[in-house]
Amino acid sequence: KNQVEQSPQSLIILEGKNCTLQCNYTVSPFSNLRWYKQDTGRGPVSLTIMTFSENTKSNGRYTATLDADTKQSSLHITASQLSDSASYICVVSGIYGNNRLAFGKGNQVVVIP
Amino acid sequence: NAGVTQTPKFQVLKTGQSMTLQCAQDMNHEYMSWYRQDPGMGLRLIHYSVGAGITDQGEVPNGYNVSRSTTEDFPLRLLSAAPSQTSVYFCASSYYKTGTNSPLHFGNGTRLTVT
Repeated sequence: KNQVEQSPQSLIILEGKNCTLQCNYTVSPFSNLRWYKQDTGRGPVSLTIMTFSENTKSNGRYTATLDADTKQSSLHITASQLSDSASYICVVSGIYGNNRLAFGKGNQVVVIP
Repeated sequence: NAGVTQTPKFQVLKTGQSMTLQCAQDMNHEYMSWYRQDPGMGLRLIHYSVGAGITDQGEVPNGYNVSRSTTEDFPLRLLSAAPSQTSVYFCASSYYKTGTNSPLHFGNGTRLTVT
């Protein structure tokens, strides 16, 4: 049973437009939620980490939100660029920390000119 | 500062062959781990280590061995390769301290094909 579900599975957006990716999780108890960006042929790179007390966190044009009550998170990409084409992975940490992370399957984003 | 370095980038094995995937980090991280990434699935933990001399199994450890003799290195050994082990393997490291939120730093992966 997948504890982290991401939607949409894939999307295509025009350069300059905004988009929002969704992550729902069932991990409990909850410690923190992370968003990673994975370029094709590369390893994932950390974008944000949020604990249950944080509602929003930004990293440049990336803004993540967290609602720990409904167990939902979103990643908003503002003014998309071609370099934003990647898979975005939602990762949830419970009480075991990095020893037992729950990974989503990723949102595949393609930005076209 | 190279971060996490994995070698080789690509490897093709025949069924039954053995090999070692290398992983090294220069960030003095206590925690290191190995994941596999398969199409349509999230990353799955194979083995992890919280320090030199300490290793433990993850979600999918069968067919793999690890050891941690130094802080920097964490090799993954395939004992007898099987086609089911065809995957992309990622090594990751982080600081390790209870109660902290330490992001994982990933290498760029080894793409393994077993025929």
